[in-house]
Amino acid sequence: DVKVTQSSRYLVKRTGEKVFLECVQDMDHENMFWYRQDPGLGLRLIYFSYDVKMKEKGDIPEGYSVSREKKERFSLILESASTNQTSMYLCASSGTLRALRDNEQFFGPGTRLTVL
Amino acid sequence: AQKITQTQPGMFVQEKEAVTLDCTYDTSDPSYGLFWYKQPSSGEMIFLIYQGSYDQQNATEGRYSLNFQKARKSANLVISASQLGDSAMYFCAKSDSGSSNTGKLIFGQGTTLQVKP
Repeated sequence: DVKVTQSSRYLVKRTGEKVFLECVQDMDHENMFWYRQDPGLGLRLIYFSYDVKMKEKGDIPEGYSVSREKKERFSLILESASTNQTSMYLCASSGTLRALRDNEQFFGPGTRLTVL
Repeated sequence: AQKITQTQPGMFVQEKEAVTLDCTYDTSDPSYGLFWYKQPSSGEMIFLIYQGSYDQQNATEGRYSLNFQKARKSANLVISASQLGDSAMYFCAKSDSGSSNTGKLIFGQGTTLQVKP
């Protein structure tokens, strides 16, 4: 069964802390994505990666960085957490894009991050 | 920039009735894919149904069907015989850029559906 896992369901951090959100997929997928979800704004893409060590900025990369050292793992880093980064963070993956149908993304359970 | 619009922030439906969730999109691409996801209160996104822009028929998956109108750029989700477990947030998404398939999806704002007993 397809599986995307995220390191924490709930996380509370203090302003200025460095925060790591980990995502692991077991489907050998090339593509991995990090989104944040806020009420009324839907899902907004932060960063994505289409291969190991490759990364591309999404729509809202400011204040975030990512790391993909292994194919199965995609990490989101908040270098210095701020209160406006309090949000739900969703990780997703997708496989080889042979057809439009392959754009289906498989999601992890999400991490609800609160920055105090 | 491409945009997906879900105009209904919240909706109610009576149990066992059908409900339509609206989705419209901007695009100049001739070739694209449309996806609907369900997000229960637990937070996980669950894939429901897919429609390709060149598909001859509207997609159906069990109680879910798509009312796809390409000329109007709309892909409304129809849920028949609503159940209490259908209460959730629903997202419409479109594949980004037909000329170079990047794997990105663009999501709408979501519609919260509540099914009343």
